[in-house]
Amino acid sequence: QITLKESGPTLVKPTQTLTLTCTFSGFSLSTSGVGVGWIRQPPGKALEWLALIYWDDDKRYSPSLKSRLTITKDTSKNQVVLTMTNMDPVDTATYYCAHVDGYNGVYFQHWGQGTLVTVSS
Amino acid sequence: DIQMTQSPSSVSASVGDRVTITCRASQGISSWLAWYQQKPGKAPKLLIYAASSLQSGVPSRFSGSGSGTDFTLTISSLQPEDFATYYCQQANSFSLTFGGGTKVEIK
Repeated sequence: QITLKESGPTLVKPTQTLTLTCTFSGFSLSTSGVGVGWIRQPPGKALEWLALIYWDDDKRYSPSLKSRLTITKDTSKNQVVLTMTNMDPVDTATYYCAHVDGYNGVYFQHWGQGTLVTVSS
Repeated sequence: DIQMTQSPSSVSASVGDRVTITCRASQGISSWLAWYQQKPGKAPKLLIYAASSLQSGVPSRFSGSGSGTDFTLTISSLQPEDFATYYCQQANSFSLTFGGGTKVEIK
């Protein structure tokens, strides 16, 4: 059974750096083709893909946010970490991590429950 | 970026109705398209991948079709648990994008 869970601060101040951790089980990020991605959703709005890291440490970022994002993995801990710099109130959203098996394409088969991050002074 | 445009943005339907949602890509994406269902306060759930492949465990009343730039998600007979918001997602380019969503509401 694949599970993912996001953790991190619920409130950050403008200009601060957000660090979110995705802890997963039921799969290994050392398995060929596997990836973990981050997606966010502002309240009442649509989903927005942020970043993706693959088993071989290949990393992909949303072009519009690339300068602010860093994604890393710790295979031994079954964790993926996303950092986003220079947070702004418009970054208030629920942040999800999700599993990609890679064989059929880059689709998010399993999702975490999400964590709401509010950006406010 | 490839833009994904869904229509309609919302639809009102009754239990038993056939519902069709459309997703259009700003450029050709072959069959690299997925559909997700999201209920309030919950994470999205993958329904369809590769435009027409049903994800394991998803009821057969859900189907997907299309290729290139135009895609559809069809619910053949709407059930009470299907009232939700549906999103498409393209996986053709390294920069993934989602559609704006279609809310299926009770008529």
